Amino acid sequence: KQEVTQIPAALSVPEGENLVLNCSFTDSAIYNLQWFRQDPGKGLTSLLLIQSSQREQTSGRLNASLDKSSGRSTLYIAASQPGDSATYLCAVNRNSGNTPLVFGKGTRLSVIA
Amino acid sequence: KAGVTQTPRYLIKTRGQQVTLSCSPISGHRSVSWYQQTPGQGLQFLFEYFSETQRNKGNFPGRFSGRQFSNSRSEMNVSTLELGDSALYLCASSLVGVTDTQYFGPGTRLTVL
Repeated sequence: KQEVTQIPAALSVPEGENLVLNCSFTDSAIYNLQWFRQDPGKGLTSLLLIQSSQREQTSGRLNASLDKSSGRSTLYIAASQPGDSATYLCAVNRNSGNTPLVFGKGTRLSVIA
Repeated sequence: KAGVTQTPRYLIKTRGQQVTLSCSPISGHRSVSWYQQTPGQGLQFLFEYFSETQRNKGNFPGRFSGRQFSNSRSEMNVSTLELGDSALYLCASSLVGVTDTQYFGPGTRLTVL
């Protein structure tokens, strides 16, 4: 059974700092990995999708990497801003047919001005 | 392009009642997935519908059911509500299925008293 873990559960950083969020998964046979952002009481916003054959994806100040063999992904946020404060979740699809996403419980990020 | 919409946004019900939640996907999207989010369990997959057919189902009791209409709009129903059903219910739509980028709605907050 695929399990996704995100550590730490919460993180507080000063504005302007570069930071890394971690995601690990137990079964390396994945189809893709997605990072999402969730603001309090709201739905999820897709940030990045990395196919299993890819090593990284970039969007603006965000860079996500994938090391499938070790079961790890990182989300790098450059020059953090207070508007980046949110919960960040990663999720993976198993590499067997059209199987649904398995989510981690997220990292709650606070960027302090 | 309009995003995913969910109605109602908030619901308060009592134990034993039933409830129906609605989700309208992004135009052109044929896949709709439903998730339950709670502080303890995080995001858990309920089911996915594609072209009016249930294609995937999570590990939830039969009290949880859903359907999809020909215009891709989807409803989920929970019968005989229990206190533990209190959660944020999120739906997500995508072009082809759960391995595609998921676009989430704002969710329906269900409180069972």
